[in-house]
Amino acid sequence: DAKTTQPTSMDCAEGRAANLPCNHSTISGNEYVYWYRQIHSQGPQYIIHGLKNNETNEMASLIITEDRKSSTLILPHATLRDTAVYYCIVRVAREKTSGSRLTFGEGTQLTVNP
Amino acid sequence: EAQVTQNPRYLITVTGKKLTVTCSQNMNHEYMSWYRQDPGLGLRQIYYSMNVEVTDKGDVPEGYKVSRKEKRNFPLILESPSPNQTSLYFCASSSFLRTGSNQPQHFGDGTRLSIL
Repeated sequence: DAKTTQPTSMDCAEGRAANLPCNHSTISGNEYVYWYRQIHSQGPQYIIHGLKNNETNEMASLIITEDRKSSTLILPHATLRDTAVYYCIVRVAREKTSGSRLTFGEGTQLTVNP
Repeated sequence: EAQVTQNPRYLITVTGKKLTVTCSQNMNHEYMSWYRQDPGLGLRQIYYSMNVEVTDKGDVPEGYKVSRKEKRNFPLILESPSPNQTSLYFCASSSFLRTGSNQPQHFGDGTRLSIL
């Protein structure tokens, strides 16, 4: 699976949009971009994933560049409860093959300030 | 509510005393997995299961056992715990599509084990 690079930390004001970048310059054509977050010592929580098109759900939007070498997770109106470590993960799309492990890097510590 | 439930949430025990951490999911997922999370090492997979009676080793299986006798349950067994197994443990589950990407993994709230 391709390696990802994220900033170590970011700050955001409550109510403003939080834009979290991720670089995945070695991504392959069949690899998806997944975002998870982990609030301190809780289980990781799935946010969103996509292949090449931009995606939106009730939690966030995912913008993937045309060359797919980078992406941005957008939390449109950040709240204090969005303070967490955000992980960008790139994984090969698989059918019922073995493993399916998630490899979490260091992620980005997002702090939402009042 | 769809969820992955782990028990216990916290456990302090001593070296060599067998323990089991239970994991149960109510989403009828085929795939289940155990991870441990340690500072500076991220999340590492211990064992996983593709379906009932199908289990396989992950990246760090030494010292652990698992079983998958029912679809919903995937217990993690430490036959003879040692201090280096002190960690935060997460169970996860997901479903598969016939084609396309694996579905996102749903995680439990974690079990913090301290082996003295």
